[in-house]
Amino acid sequence: DAGVIQSPRHEVTEMGQEVTLRCKPISGHNSLFWYRQTMMRGLELLIYFNNNVPIDDSGMPEDRFSAKMPNASFSTLKIQPSEPRDSAVYFCASSRGGGGAYEQYFGPGTRLTVT
Amino acid sequence: AQSVAQPEDQVNVAEGNPLTVKCTYSVSGNPYLFWYVQYPNRGLQFLLKYITGDNLVKGSYGFEAEFNKSQTSFHLKKPSALVSDSALYFCAVRDEGSNYQLIWGAGTKLIIKP
Repeated sequence: DAGVIQSPRHEVTEMGQEVTLRCKPISGHNSLFWYRQTMMRGLELLIYFNNNVPIDDSGMPEDRFSAKMPNASFSTLKIQPSEPRDSAVYFCASSRGGGGAYEQYFGPGTRLTVT
Repeated sequence: AQSVAQPEDQVNVAEGNPLTVKCTYSVSGNPYLFWYVQYPNRGLQFLLKYITGDNLVKGSYGFEAEFNKSQTSFHLKKPSALVSDSALYFCAVRDEGSNYQLIWGAGTKLIIKP
């Protein structure tokens, strides 16, 4: 299995630009999570999808952030407009189930720098 | 409230010596406990988990963890450290009654010196 795939691996953009991060979960996994990691705040859950449906988006910082999962093999996280404080590493993770004893498998992350 | 504490920001160990990375947790019900490792510029990798049963859990790369219910701890251990074990280690817990939310520790940086 190829694992969770994320693209791009690095993104540098200017403030005000739109940024789209992409994720392909592991085949057969029905749960998908988007996280953000910073030195100051650690690992934060942004949004959780189950069977392609957003279940909890309470971690999305503000309306500038949006996420979609049009099918079981693809998800996007969009930031529009981007701001310097959005600079972080964004991870996508998938699991066989949302809860219980299921572990999450993480992608390599997208390092976003907003100047 | 559910929480996870990793009391040490950094742990330094000489190569070949045993290592321990500490984790304590607080949940209202029975816990599901996880350890992950993050190497520089990489995603988090699952190491091992405790669900139920034997308190000593074995995982990847020779790591093991001991669940202690009375002390609400789940410390990560390895008998003989390798320089390549140097990385950031995260403990996480999910309450048995929780549907999906994983509570993450802040991480412990493990440095193995040759």
